[in-house]
Amino acid sequence: QVQMVQSGSEVKKPGASVKVSCKAFGYIFTTYHITWVRQAPGQGLEWMGCIGGYSGKANYEPKFEGRVTMTTETSTSTVYMELSSLTSDDTAVYYCARGDTAPDVWGQGTLVTVSS
Amino acid sequence: DMQMTQSPSSLSASVGDRVTISCRASQSISRNLNWYQQKVGTAPKLLIFATSSLQGGVPSRFSGSGSGTDFTLTISSLQPEDFATYYCHQTDTTPWTFGQGTKVEIK
Repeated sequence: QVQMVQSGSEVKKPGASVKVSCKAFGYIFTTYHITWVRQAPGQGLEWMGCIGGYSGKANYEPKFEGRVTMTTETSTSTVYMELSSLTSDDTAVYYCARGDTAPDVWGQGTLVTVSS
Repeated sequence: DMQMTQSPSSLSASVGDRVTISCRASQSISRNLNWYQQKVGTAPKLLIFATSSLQGGVPSRFSGSGSGTDFTLTISSLQPEDFATYYCHQTDTTPWTFGQGTKVEIK
């Protein structure tokens, strides 16, 4: 059964960084991209970028360029998304999902709260 | 960035109703358009990809159509479990973008 399992909730102070993990199960990790999407409280979905499971090459939404880093660890079928210089506007649920052009299996979401 | 505009932003409907949600792109996106359903507190669920292809396990009452800039999601007979928020999502031009969502509520 294909599953994406994300790391747990985080509370961070403004200016800090957060690193969220997403572990893939039930398929060949290197055959799919992984997409990251976030959702602020009560708001819509926002695409952050995606990374190739095989190539490790990432494509970021320009508004996050310079603040976001997506990496893969093929030995453990895990993808990481690190976001730096956090502000209160980064408080959101962060989702990973399998695939790039039609993400089909989503993680459960990771709540990141930025608060002083 | 490609702007995706959904209409309406919300609607009220009864069980059994036919429901139509529209999504308009600011430029042509060919048929590179997906639809997602999201229920409160859960991750989005892929319903339709590439404008009209039904994702496995999704009931046939859901259908999609369109091309270029105008797209439609149709629910032929609304069921109680369909009350949710629906998002269109273009994957033609990076950065991929989502519509703002359409909340389907019980009348």
